[in-house]
Amino acid sequence: KAGVTQTPRYLIKTRGQQVTLSCSPISGHRSVSWYQQTPGQGLQFLFEYFSETQRNKGNFPGRFSGRQFSNSRSEMNVSTLELGDSALYLCASSLGGGWEQFFGPGTRLTVL
Amino acid sequence: GQQLNQSPQSMFIQEGEDVSMNCTSSSIFNTWLWYKQEPGEGPVLLIALYKAGELTSNGRLTAQFGITRKDSFLNISASIPSDVGIYFCAGPNYGGSQGNLIFGKGTKLSVKP
Repeated sequence: KAGVTQTPRYLIKTRGQQVTLSCSPISGHRSVSWYQQTPGQGLQFLFEYFSETQRNKGNFPGRFSGRQFSNSRSEMNVSTLELGDSALYLCASSLGGGWEQFFGPGTRLTVL
Repeated sequence: GQQLNQSPQSMFIQEGEDVSMNCTSSSIFNTWLWYKQEPGEGPVLLIALYKAGELTSNGRLTAQFGITRKDSFLNISASIPSDVGIYFCAGPNYGGSQGNLIFGKGTKLSVKP
């Protein structure tokens, strides 16, 4: 079974731009969660989608948004990028009824 | 809010040695998860624990769900160079709905051949 895939793997953007990251979950998984990982703050939860609905949201500004499609694929968008948005963005999928989450390799975003 | 404290922050060991690390919380957890992350990759789920006192193994890795339900332990026996990475504990954030895990800051393991 294929794992979680994320595209692109690397991105370089400048301040003020926007970015869209994509995540394809494991086949059959209906829940997709997004996390931001930085050296200082560690892994922090952004939001979770299940059956195309946002089920939970972390403490991030409204510039961070996401969506999920009918095939469970998910995208997250960050608008008006700031230097502090530089991070590894991780997507994790799960069946939706438990706590075990399986992560993709991440998208490394660098904001200049 | 809930926090997970991992110790030690880092370990430098010789190949062949056993490793122990732990994770503690100020609140009770009903599930503990242990992940390993290697450079440039996402975390990989190693072991999931669901019951207080539970002891679960995955090869040379053994994890335990503490009986107080506020801690968990991960042991690695006879370490090898490919054990290098950062080990994270994680648990459910009960303030949120399903899908919101909180993570410890990690234990960075270095193995000297």
